[in-house]
Amino acid sequence: AQSVTQPDIHITVSEGASLELRCNYSYGATPYLFWYVQSPGQGLQLLLKYFSGDTLVQGIKGFEAEFKRSQSSFNLRKPSVHWSDAAEYFCAVGAGGGGFKTIFGAGTRLFVKA
Amino acid sequence: DADVTQTPRNRITKTGKRIMLECSQTKGHDRMYWYRQDPGLGLRLIYYSFDVKDINKGEISDGYSVSRQAQAKFSLSLESAIPNQTALYFCATSDFTQGNTGELFFGEGSRLTVL
Repeated sequence: AQSVTQPDIHITVSEGASLELRCNYSYGATPYLFWYVQSPGQGLQLLLKYFSGDTLVQGIKGFEAEFKRSQSSFNLRKPSVHWSDAAEYFCAVGAGGGGFKTIFGAGTRLFVKA
Repeated sequence: DADVTQTPRNRITKTGKRIMLECSQTKGHDRMYWYRQDPGLGLRLIYYSFDVKDINKGEISDGYSVSRQAQAKFSLSLESAIPNQTALYFCATSDFTQGNTGELFFGEGSRLTVL
């Protein structure tokens, strides 16, 4: 069965510290992988996506993610967190062919302390 | 103005009432979706539409219906609301032609509370 697991329900990091949010997926075909961010009171915004090529992808707001096929993982990283990064982050996997095949993880809420 | 607009943004209603959530988009995308977000469950697909004549059930369609009035408009109805339909609802769009990666573009959400 297709699934996405985000093991951490919430994470707290200090401003300026590095961040890694974990994502593991189970998908039978070559996946399309996404990270979305949801700021309070807002809809989801795409941070980055991977579907082929270089396994390290760069996104907006200084985020990056690395696709590791052997580990079925697509972890999100940022070298230095800003207070404005406090939000909920969703990992998602799809097959292309349309968003109706996209499966979302449960989300990880990031808290940033001063 | 937002590319994907949802109305209302917040709604409180009572059990048994009929509720409609509306979505309009200016992105020119052919595909539209309704998702439901619950804490700890992520987003789950309710219905999706490839065009005005093509509407499909998603993972959790029971208790919901939709109408695609035009390419740019997709509404979600709860015929008889119940408390466990209290959730945050998102409309989203995607563009089949842009590499077909399945990237979704979301509205700001409609928070529904059923008492």
